[in-house]
Parts: sequence; C-alpha cells; structure tokens
Amino acid sequence: KAGVTQTPRYLIKTRGQQVTLSCSPISGHRSVSWYQQTPGQGLQFLFEYFSETQRNKGNFPGRFSGRQFSNSRSEMNVSTLELGDSALYLCASSSLAGPNTGELFFGEGSRLTVL
Amino acid sequence: EDQVTQSPEALRLQEGESSSLNCSYTVSGLRGLFWYRQDPGKGPEFLFTLYSAGEEKEKERLKATLTKKESFLHITAPKPEDSATYLCAVLGGFQKLVFGTGTRLLVSP
Repeated sequence: KAGVTQTPRYLIKTRGQQVTLSCSPISGHRSVSWYQQTPGQGLQFLFEYFSETQRNKGNFPGRFSGRQFSNSRSEMNVSTLELGDSALYLCASSSLAGPNTGELFFGEGSRLTVL
Repeated sequence: EDQVTQSPEALRLQEGESSSLNCSYTVSGLRGLFWYRQDPGKGPEFLFTLYSAGEEKEKERLKATLTKKESFLHITAPKPEDSATYLCAVLGGFQKLVFGTGTRLLVSP
C-alpha cells in the first residue's frame, strides 16, 4: 500500500513569490492535515481537511491556504513568501472515520527554502 | 491553550542502557496523547495512542505510560537503530494536535 506522497520534495523560492505544495494521501484516507516543522518551533498545525471541507485551522496568517479535492488529494499554497516561511511542510492522512484524530500517517515532507 | 513540553531535549545512551523520556502537558479535555518517532529527513511515524491516566502501551523495546499531567516513553535495552527524535503530541478540546519539540535520542554501540 503506497504511503503519503508529497511533491515537490525540495524547492527554493525568493521572497514575495508564491508556492503550491501537493499531497496524495494513503488510498481510502479522507482526512488530510498539514504541518509546518522548523527547528525552533517544532511541528505546528496549519489546517485539516475532511471530505473537501476545512475542519480546523491553526494560527497562521491568511497567506497560508489549502484545499482538498474530491479524490482526497490536497494542496496548500503560501503567497507572498517571507524568509520565515522556510521550513519542512508535512502532510498527514488518517484512516479513522472522523476528523481531528492524532493517529496520523505522514509523508516525507516538502522542504521549502526562501531566499 | 494546550501545551506540551518534552525533556530532555537530547539524550545519549549506550546500547543496552535503559532510560525514559518525559512529556508534560496541559490540555483542555484530553482526547488522546500520541507518541511519534522521526528519523532525519523523514516524516514522523506513529507509535502509540494513550487515552486515559493509567493506560500503558508496549511495542518491542518501547513502553508508553500516561498520568494526568505527563507521559513517559520508557526505552528498555535500546539498540543503535532506536536513535531518532521522539515526539509527543496531545489532542484536546480545541481539536488541534499540539506537538512538543521532541527528544533527540542517540544510542551508541
């Protein structure tokens, strides 16, 4: 069974640009969540989607947005990039019936560097 | 606001030297406490879920326990392949998973 797939794995952008990251969950998983991981802050929750609906959102500015498609694949977008957005962005999916679960399967992440 | 504090930040053990990692938490209405393992360059890997004080879970050399204020991850006779960062997370009434910053474990042969 294929795991959670994130693309691209690495990318470099400059300040002011925007970026779109993609996530394909494990087949049959309907819940997808996104996290930002930095050395100083650890993993911080960005948002969670379940059946194409955003169920919860973390404390990030509106420059961070996401969506989920009918096949459960998800994308997140960061506009007007800042240096502080450099991080590992992790996508996770869940097999449990409801959203907001902590038993997550993570992808390997997309490492974003903003210059 | 839900909070998780993990200690120590880093731990170095000799192979076979047992120890414990600590996860202290404050949460409004605990729905679950979770342990993950993260290897360098990889995403976290789910290990355990604990739901109520007194609960214990075991997997190979790892055993997780839970009280009303903290959780411990006990590592018995660790091997070099147990080297990783161990993350603790809580899910509370706000329904947002909150992670600690982790304990980096290095087990030397």
